[in-house]
Amino acid sequence: DAKTTQPPSMDCAEGRAANLPCNHSTISGNEYVYWYRQIHSQGPQYIIHGLKNNETNEMASLIITEDRKSSTLILPHATLRDTAVYYCIVGSGGSNYKLTFGKGTLLTVNP
Amino acid sequence: NAGVTQTPKFQVLKTGQSMTLQCAQDMNHNSMYWYRQDPGMGLRLIYYSASEGTTDKGEVPNGYNVSRLNKREFSLRLESAAPSQTSVYFCATKTKNSGLPEQFFGPGTRLTVL
Repeated sequence: DAKTTQPPSMDCAEGRAANLPCNHSTISGNEYVYWYRQIHSQGPQYIIHGLKNNETNEMASLIITEDRKSSTLILPHATLRDTAVYYCIVGSGGSNYKLTFGKGTLLTVNP
Repeated sequence: NAGVTQTPKFQVLKTGQSMTLQCAQDMNHNSMYWYRQDPGMGLRLIYYSASEGTTDKGEVPNGYNVSRLNKREFSLRLESAAPSQTSVYFCATKTKNSGLPEQFFGPGTRLTVL
């Protein structure tokens, strides 16, 4: 599985958009980009995933560059409850893919 | 609909003691996973089970055994606990539908080995 690089921490003002970057320069053609987050020692929570195209759901948007070597998770209107560690994970899809977590980015949303 | 449940929530063991961590799910998912998370680190996969009756090693299987008792339950056993196994243990599940990649995580078991 390809490795990812994320900044260790970021700050964001409440109500503003939070843009979390991820580099995955060794991603292969059949690998997806997954984002999870972990709020203070709880179990991780799935946010979104994508292969090539940009994706949006009720939680966030995922922007993947054309060369697929990097991506950005966007939380459009961050709230205090979005303070968490965000993990960018690259892996193959399929019925039983396994997740390899790095250290992630600690996003702190400030009032 | 409880999702993924784990027992116990907290446990303290002495070195050399054994214990079993329990995980149960009511989502009818085929795949189940055990991860551990050390302080300040991401999760690491210990074992997983693609379906009832099958188990496979993950990244850090040494010192652990697992049992997929049935479709609902996946247990993790420490035969002789060591301080290096002090960690938070998470169980997760996933449907076999490859179009639904989400893994659902339990609340975790916090284990301390003295």
